[in-house]
Amino acid sequence: DAGVTQSPTHLIKTRGQQVTLRCSPKSGHDTVSWYQQALGQGPQFIFQYYEEEERQRGNFPDRFSGHQFPNYSSELNVNALLLGDSALYLCASSPAGGRAEAFFGQGTRLTVV
Amino acid sequence: GDSVTQMEGPVTLSEEAFLTINCTYTATGYPSLFWYVQYPGEGLQLLLKATKADDKGSNKGFEATYRKETTSFHLEKGSVQVSDSAVYFCAYAGGTSYGKLTFGQGTILTVHP
Repeated sequence: DAGVTQSPTHLIKTRGQQVTLRCSPKSGHDTVSWYQQALGQGPQFIFQYYEEEERQRGNFPDRFSGHQFPNYSSELNVNALLLGDSALYLCASSPAGGRAEAFFGQGTRLTVV
Repeated sequence: GDSVTQMEGPVTLSEEAFLTINCTYTATGYPSLFWYVQYPGEGLQLLLKATKADDKGSNKGFEATYRKETTSFHLEKGSVQVSDSAVYFCAYAGGTSYGKLTFGQGTILTVHP
């Protein structure tokens, strides 16, 4: 079992650009959540996808959007990048509609310059 | 609003010392509580969990007891090892949040030989 896989592992973008991050959940998991972890901070919940729909959303602007595909994989899109968007972006998957513990990927380190 | 507060770090210990990392939470209802660990350059790994009051979660010598009366979930280990050096995060998931996790700010633990 490959676990939760994220791509790319590192990314450098310029302010104002757009970025897409990808996540493949652990086998058998149907729910995907995205978190932003700024340096030295705990992860902050961005949103969660289940059955290809956004089910919950944290306190993030509309520049952050996502998608879940029929195979349960997911993408996180961020438009009009700001320097403050530089962070580690973590994907977590869980089974049973999210009613069991989440497993995290290694994360994508995004640097906005 | 709902939140998690961890003791401020960093915490530096000698090998075989006793470890306590304090965690208190503010949440409505009956949340599930978790401790996650993050090793350098990696994502988060679930260390232990407790889903109801007075439950004790345990794993790899670490323990934490869900204390509803004090809204606490302190992490303890009787004898730490150098390999325990990592960042530890306390987190909770609300009863109907379908796995949305709210994290504390993290505590850096360094264990010296």
